[in-house]
Amino acid sequence: KAGVTQTPRYLIKTRGQQVTLSCSPISGHRSVSWYQQTPGQGLQFLFEYFSETQRNKGNFPGRFSGRQFSNSRSEMNVSTLELGDSALYLCASSLESGTGNTIYFGEGSWLTVV
Amino acid sequence: EDQVTQSPEALRLQEGESSSLNCSYTVSGLRGLFWYRQDPGKGPEFLFTLYSAGEEKEKERLKATLTKKESFLHITAPKPEDSATYLCAVRVYSGGYQKVTFGIGTKLQVIP
Repeated sequence: KAGVTQTPRYLIKTRGQQVTLSCSPISGHRSVSWYQQTPGQGLQFLFEYFSETQRNKGNFPGRFSGRQFSNSRSEMNVSTLELGDSALYLCASSLESGTGNTIYFGEGSWLTVV
Repeated sequence: EDQVTQSPEALRLQEGESSSLNCSYTVSGLRGLFWYRQDPGKGPEFLFTLYSAGEEKEKERLKATLTKKESFLHITAPKPEDSATYLCAVRVYSGGYQKVTFGIGTKLQVIP
């Protein structure tokens, strides 16, 4: 059974540009969530999608956005990149958005903003 | 506000030297506590889920326990391949939705 797949794995962008990251959840999983991981802050929750609807959102500026498609695949977009956006972006999926469902992570997308 | 605190931040053990990692939490409406292992440059790998105080789970050299305020990850006779960062996370019910909060992790180094 394939795990959570994230693309691209590595990318370098210039300040002011925008970036789109993609996530394919485990087959059958309908909930997808996104996290930002930096050395000093640990994993910070960005948002969660379930059945194409954003269910929850963390404390990030509006430059960070996401969406989920009918096949549960998800994308997140960061506009007007800042140096501080350099981080590992992790996507996670679970069967549903509720108790009893384990969250499985992808390998992440490493974003470097220069 | 929900808080998850892991200690110690870093731990260095000799191979075979057993120890415990701590995850204390201050949340209301716990819906599960998770332990993950993360190797450098990779995504977190799921280890355990605990739901209620008194629950214990084991996997190879690892054993996770849960009380009403904290969880422990016991590592028995660790090997160098157990070196990784161990993350704790809690799921709570907040504002009509489930929310997951992670601790900052404990970086474990096991020396041969």
